[in-house]
Amino acid sequence: EPEVTQTPSHQVTQMGQEVILRCVPISNHLYFYWYRQILGQKVEFLVSFYNNEISEKSEIFDDQFSVERPDGSNFTLKIRSTKLEDSAMYFCASTQSPERAYEQYFGPGTRLTVT
Amino acid sequence: ILNVEQSPQSLHVQEGDSTNFTCSFPSSNFYALHWYRWETAKSPEALFVMTLNGDEKKKGRISATLNTKEGYSYLYIKGSQPEDSATYLCARWTDTGNQFYFGTGTSLTVIP
Repeated sequence: EPEVTQTPSHQVTQMGQEVILRCVPISNHLYFYWYRQILGQKVEFLVSFYNNEISEKSEIFDDQFSVERPDGSNFTLKIRSTKLEDSAMYFCASTQSPERAYEQYFGPGTRLTVT
Repeated sequence: ILNVEQSPQSLHVQEGDSTNFTCSFPSSNFYALHWYRWETAKSPEALFVMTLNGDEKKKGRISATLNTKEGYSYLYIKGSQPEDSATYLCARWTDTGNQFYFGTGTSLTVIP
């Protein structure tokens, strides 16, 4: 069964460093998402991406964050200058089309630890 | 903020026991409710997508009901097994916003 994959599974970085989290969505999917879950809190929406541009973003997704689909398979989340409060589990998700946006398939997550 | 709440936060049951937990959500602008099963280090796995008031869905020993008018959904597990141990997340999709609103999850541990 096709699945969303994410790398790395765990990333440790120092405060102020840039990190790139990678996701490979399901191959025929066109609509991509990033979510995060800070330990003990709810999963929160960050951003959705369709047709090579951001479709929607939350207030969490400030100028420190950016997303990119650099080639036909990867979907990346970049955090320019990490802060301690960016430590969280980051999930990527994908769906076939905006019309099926509520049928999302999630990756296993990348645990980001900022020290 | 469209709060989705789940209870209890965690649950320990003996193997063979049946159990249930609750997801409550604002009933306005409802479009769909999802239940996910999430084991540590794995992808959240979609269990059910529920859209209609009164929906009942079943997958093996797991079933769910939906009441969109009063804003709640129940997830039932009959005859819990150790492999049912996971966090169960519900997420609401609205007809006005293009994103999920998640609950905090219910962590289930089934003791052999």
